[in-house]
Amino acid sequence: KQEVTQIPAALSVPEGENLVLNCSFTDSAIYNLQWFRQDPGKGLTSLLLIQSSQREQTSGRLNASLDKSSGRSTLYIAASQPGDSATYLCAVPGNLFFGTGTRLTVIP
Amino acid sequence: DTAVSQTPKYLVTQMGNDKSIKCEQNLGHDTMYWYKQDSKKFLKIMFSYNNKELIINETVPNRFSPKSPDKAHLNLHINSLELGDSAVYFCASSQERQARTNEKLFFGSGTQLSVL
Repeated sequence: KQEVTQIPAALSVPEGENLVLNCSFTDSAIYNLQWFRQDPGKGLTSLLLIQSSQREQTSGRLNASLDKSSGRSTLYIAASQPGDSATYLCAVPGNLFFGTGTRLTVIP
Repeated sequence: DTAVSQTPKYLVTQMGNDKSIKCEQNLGHDTMYWYKQDSKKFLKIMFSYNNKELIINETVPNRFSPKSPDKAHLNLHINSLELGDSAVYFCASSQERQARTNEKLFFGSGTQLSVL
């Protein structure tokens, strides 16, 4: 059964810093991987979806990479802002197995 | 124009009661889901329906019964509520079937269930 791990569980950075969030999964036979953002008391918002044939996806200041062979994905956030503070979760495939998330705090 | 809406947002009830959570999506999606997020923020899929047909049914007590009157609605009925059922329940939808979808998942804002 797929297991998804996200490290670190929590991360605090000063505003403007670039950062990387990590996602590891045990079964590389996946159709896709999805990164989500969850704000307190809210549902999840899909940020990026990477299909198994792709190596990365970009949206604004966000860039997600996928390395199926090593069972890893990273979410790169450039020039972080206080509004980026939230919990970030990955899921593989994008609807089934979720990590427990990384709680990001961007300090003004 | 909420894409995926679920009601109620909060539900507080006594052990042993029966309750329902409603979910509706106006995105024209074929597939809907129910997830449970526990106190440790671990999110786990419970059910998935595609065009009113059950396609995923994870190991969930049979006290939980999803009902899909049409493909825009997926309601969750819970009988004989227990303390351990306390969690946040999320409804979601996507365009295609779960296993093959390359479409993004859209979530409702969640229903916080507290069983006393």
